[in-house]
Amino acid sequence: GNSVTQMEGPVTLSEEAFLTINCTYTATGYPSLFWYVQYPGEGLQLLLKATKADDKGSNKGFEATYRKETTSFHLEKGSVQVSDSAVYFCALIKAAGNKLTFGGGTRVLVKP
Amino acid sequence: DTGVSQDPRHKITKRGQNVTFRCDPISEHNRLYWYRQTLGQGPEFLTYFQNEAQLEKSRLLSDRFSAERPKGSFSTLEIQRTEQGDSAMYLCASSLDGASTDTQYFGPGTRLTVL
Repeated sequence: GNSVTQMEGPVTLSEEAFLTINCTYTATGYPSLFWYVQYPGEGLQLLLKATKADDKGSNKGFEATYRKETTSFHLEKGSVQVSDSAVYFCALIKAAGNKLTFGGGTRVLVKP
Repeated sequence: DTGVSQDPRHKITKRGQNVTFRCDPISEHNRLYWYRQTLGQGPEFLTYFQNEAQLEKSRLLSDRFSAERPKGSFSTLEIQRTEQGDSAMYLCASSLDGASTDTQYFGPGTRLTVL
């Protein structure tokens, strides 16, 4: 079946540091890939997505590139802020109308 | 524009009681999903509807769980004879048919605590 594996946290960074969260997936065919973010006390929000190989999703300074050859979708941000402190979830969907399969989440804490 | 809403936001109940949660999707969205999230884990799929038809149910959804979407708008998730293991955040999401990537938009969740 489909699965998503992401690095365990917590990841603790200083403000303006570079952030990488690794995500790899197992799925047949060509899934669409997503990063969702959950800020403290809030619901899941879509951060970015990519629908085919070599696509790059980007939003709010975050980027992730769909790498079919390594089945990866690593999340990066060049300079984090305290407000980026949250839990980040990598997810995939096999086809429109289907269920999302999530990774276990990575908690990120950015200190001033 | 209102997003996905869920009610109640928090529910504390005693073991053995029945509980019902409500989800109101984004108004034009015809697909509605339920997920469950336990502490420190990613959400896990429970079931989904296209309009009023329930198209898929996870094996996580035991016989004590039932979901409905009677008019293809709001949905309810009922848990009968709750157990402590049912304590979790129950998330609802909605999406629009026809979108190639079918992005799902989530509500704030209902946190259930079974004592």
